[in-house]
Amino acid sequence: GESVGLHLPTLSVQEGDNSIINCAYSNSASDYFIWYKQESGKGPQFIIDIRSNMDKRQGQRVTVLLNKTVKHLSLQIAATQPGDSAVYFCAEKRGGGGGFKTIFGAGTRLFVKA
Amino acid sequence: KAGVTQTPRYLIKTRGQQVTLSCSPISGHRSVSWYQQTPGQGLQFLFEYFSETQRNKGNFPGRFSGRQFSNSRSEMNVSTLELGDSALYLCASSGDATNEKLFFGSGTQLSVL
Repeated sequence: GESVGLHLPTLSVQEGDNSIINCAYSNSASDYFIWYKQESGKGPQFIIDIRSNMDKRQGQRVTVLLNKTVKHLSLQIAATQPGDSAVYFCAEKRGGGGGFKTIFGAGTRLFVKA
Repeated sequence: KAGVTQTPRYLIKTRGQQVTLSCSPISGHRSVSWYQQTPGQGLQFLFEYFSETQRNKGNFPGRFSGRQFSNSRSEMNVSTLELGDSALYLCASSGDATNEKLFFGSGTQLSVL
């Protein structure tokens, strides 16, 4: 089936610590991966993306790592803040049928303790 | 630019009824995708439209349908509602033909009683 899986459903971290959210994907042909953040009452919001020809990409306080050998993706958030509390989804873009679709993982809820 | 707008924000229907949800994409975006979000199944892809053509469809029954208009606005319809159709329906638009970065609306929360 179509799936992008997550290792942990919830993650609790202390404010100021680093957070790591993991994700496993199933389709070895996927060439583009994205992390989204969803806050309560809102739709998912793009955080960072990475192509399969890269193994690391950095943004502002976030880093995405891609390990194609074991089909694993991770999101690292540096100096986690209360505003980072949300559900985080990994996703992959898949082609087919003349179009493209983004397949989302189940999500990890991040709690930031003050 | 205004973001993706979905209407209505909340909707309550009863079993057997039908419902139409609306989505206005970001100005200039020609691709619109629809997702169903539930606590148990997460975000499930429904379908994607580009320039009024459905390019891709997820694994949902024929009761779920959609369309896109020439101004890129999109609607989705669910007929003969079932209790299990209760969910948050999210619309996303993309400014590129390959749908790499999605911009989501806040969704329509549908409750079927």
